[in-house]
Amino acid sequence: GENVEQHPSTLSVQEGDSAVIKCTYSDSASNYFPWYKQELGKGPQLIIDIRSNVGEKKDQRIAVTLNKTAKHFSLHITETQPEDSAVYFCAATSGGGADGLTFGKGTHLIIQP
Amino acid sequence: EAQVTQNPRYLITVTGKKLTVTCSQNMNHEYMSWYRQDPGLGLRQIYYSMNVEVTDKGDVPEGYKVSRKEKRNFPLILESPSPNQTSLYFCASRRQGAGYTFGSGTRLTVV
Repeated sequence: GENVEQHPSTLSVQEGDSAVIKCTYSDSASNYFPWYKQELGKGPQLIIDIRSNVGEKKDQRIAVTLNKTAKHFSLHITETQPEDSAVYFCAATSGGGADGLTFGKGTHLIIQP
Repeated sequence: EAQVTQNPRYLITVTGKKLTVTCSQNMNHEYMSWYRQDPGLGLRQIYYSMNVEVTDKGDVPEGYKVSRKEKRNFPLILESPSPNQTSLYFCASRRQGAGYTFGSGTRLTVV
């Protein structure tokens, strides 16, 4: 089955700086890669996703890049703000007839004022 | 408001006492899923359903049951809860080709 590795487990950056979270996956058939943000006491919220036919996708201050050859994808947050502090999860799935969305173990992003 | 609603938010129970956590979505999504979240282990899928009367095991199905009699509801059943099922549980739903929308979570403690 799919295995998703996520790094780092904790990331502390100064407010206004950029943050990068990286994930690798094992199943070359995976074709959908969502990113979720989880704030304290809440469920994960989808913030951006990318499909295997696209190399990069942006939405305001966040972007995701995908390298299918190397089987890794990354989340980039620019001009970080205090409200960006949360746990971020990457995930991967090959879809098809199953629903095997596999999550990374999460990155706790801390924005230092 | 489009949402996934799960109840209860908090539950403390004793070993062996059957319980059900309800989940309902109002977005007419085909797919529904249950995850458990544990420190250091991330989110792990328990069961999922691709449509009414279609369910399948996820990564950690032991000790759990589900049913999908209606499109909007996907209850999680613990027939005989044990302390190792103490966890934070999330229900989620999605339409085909899209990402999951998660509920707010159910914190279960089994003593």
